[in-house]
Amino acid sequence: DIQMTQSPSSLSASVGDRVTITCRASQRISSHLNWYQQKPGKAPKLLIYAASSLQSGVPSRFSGSGSGTDFTLTISSLQPEDFGTYYCQQSYSTLYTFGQGTKLEIK
Amino acid sequence: EVQLVESGGGLVQPGGSLRLSCAASGFTFSSYWMSWVRQAPGKGLEWVANIKQDGSEKYYVDSVKGRFTISRDNAKNSLFLQMNSLRVEDTAVYYCARLPTPVTGANFDYWGQGTLVTVSS
Repeated sequence: DIQMTQSPSSLSASVGDRVTITCRASQRISSHLNWYQQKPGKAPKLLIYAASSLQSGVPSRFSGSGSGTDFTLTISSLQPEDFGTYYCQQSYSTLYTFGQGTKLEIK
Repeated sequence: EVQLVESGGGLVQPGGSLRLSCAASGFTFSSYWMSWVRQAPGKGLEWVANIKQDGSEKYYVDSVKGRFTISRDNAKNSLFLQMNSLRVEDTAVYYCARLPTPVTGANFDYWGQGTLVTVSS
């Protein structure tokens, strides 16, 4: 199975900060990497698909980059509503796997 | 509007069975791969299973192979997860989700609200 490792596991940042979350795959996965945001008690929401494509309706302050094994989710200017847990997910293999999550708190 | 509504969760004893359902609306259900994803209390997301539009291809995470069966009824716009030989570690919120493209390279673009399965004696 392909293992996905996110870092950091948690972070705290201020409104307006630039935030970066990384995701590393245990083998090359091309650009088959997606990012989700989950708020407490809610279903996850797709933010970025195919490593760098912004899902319809998602604010442009979210962006993704990377290919192969190393990927990044960036929030260019953190907003209060961006708190939650962020997950990466690979779909290179038919056996999908998620990262362990990054919990983002607003200072 | 795309809607996915899960049902069928509840409390079951270890070794027992449960069948989850997901009612889909707002899109042509028979045209999409569908999935189940679960989340244990306080833990991360875990993909469980995928099924092709016509049910001819199915994939499972290793931990549920031989115990869980994903199926669908396109005439009723419904997705199912039959869970047998349940274990305490199967306790989780189970989400159904849509895959907008074929399985490789796909993402989960719509999710249901989830249904809680608790396995406990």
